[in-house]
Amino acid sequence: DVKVTQSSRYLVKRTGEKVFLECVQDMDHENMFWYRQDPGLGLRLIYFSYDVKMKEKGDIPEGYSVSREKKERFSLILESASTNQTSMYLCASSVGNNQPQHFGDGTRLSIL
Amino acid sequence: QKEVEQNSGPLSVPEGAIASLNCTYSDRGSQSFFWYRQYSGKSPELIMFIYSNGDKEDGRFTAQLNKASQYVSLLIRDSQPSDSATYLCAVDARGKLIFGQGTELSVKP
Repeated sequence: DVKVTQSSRYLVKRTGEKVFLECVQDMDHENMFWYRQDPGLGLRLIYFSYDVKMKEKGDIPEGYSVSREKKERFSLILESASTNQTSMYLCASSVGNNQPQHFGDGTRLSIL
Repeated sequence: QKEVEQNSGPLSVPEGAIASLNCTYSDRGSQSFFWYRQYSGKSPELIMFIYSNGDKEDGRFTAQLNKASQYVSLLIRDSQPSDSATYLCAVDARGKLIFGQGTELSVKP
């Protein structure tokens, strides 16, 4: 079974802090994704990566950056956290394009 | 027009009935279609996926594709209260998945 592990289930940070969310997958998947999910807005793609050191902007990249230094790890960075970034953050991975994505358990992030 | 549309529900069915969930998509070039189940407070879990070459059955679940009308459906036979969740439809688009807003299903005992 695919295992996608997100570093924290719950996280509370203050406005202006730099926040790191980590995601690790154990299936040698090429593609990795970061989403946020908010009530009424559904799943929105923030960034994704097709390969090590590669990144592509999704639909809502503003205020975020990512890092993929190793194939199994994809990090999401909130450069200066703001209250409107309070959300559920979901990481996913897939073996390739147009293949099923497998999600981690999610990180519920609160910015105070 | 949204790229992937689902009726938000809630869809309520009695236990043992067939639940039918539908999803329409706008990109005629889409080749892969996915159904996820999401329980409240949990992450999406892949249930089924089909490619443009045909329908698929897996236990109580059947995914069907109508390419001409650009919709995909998920049938759940013998619905159980444990099937109560939000069901997300996703369609491939240029290497990414586009998700619908989800349909909330409630199965009443």
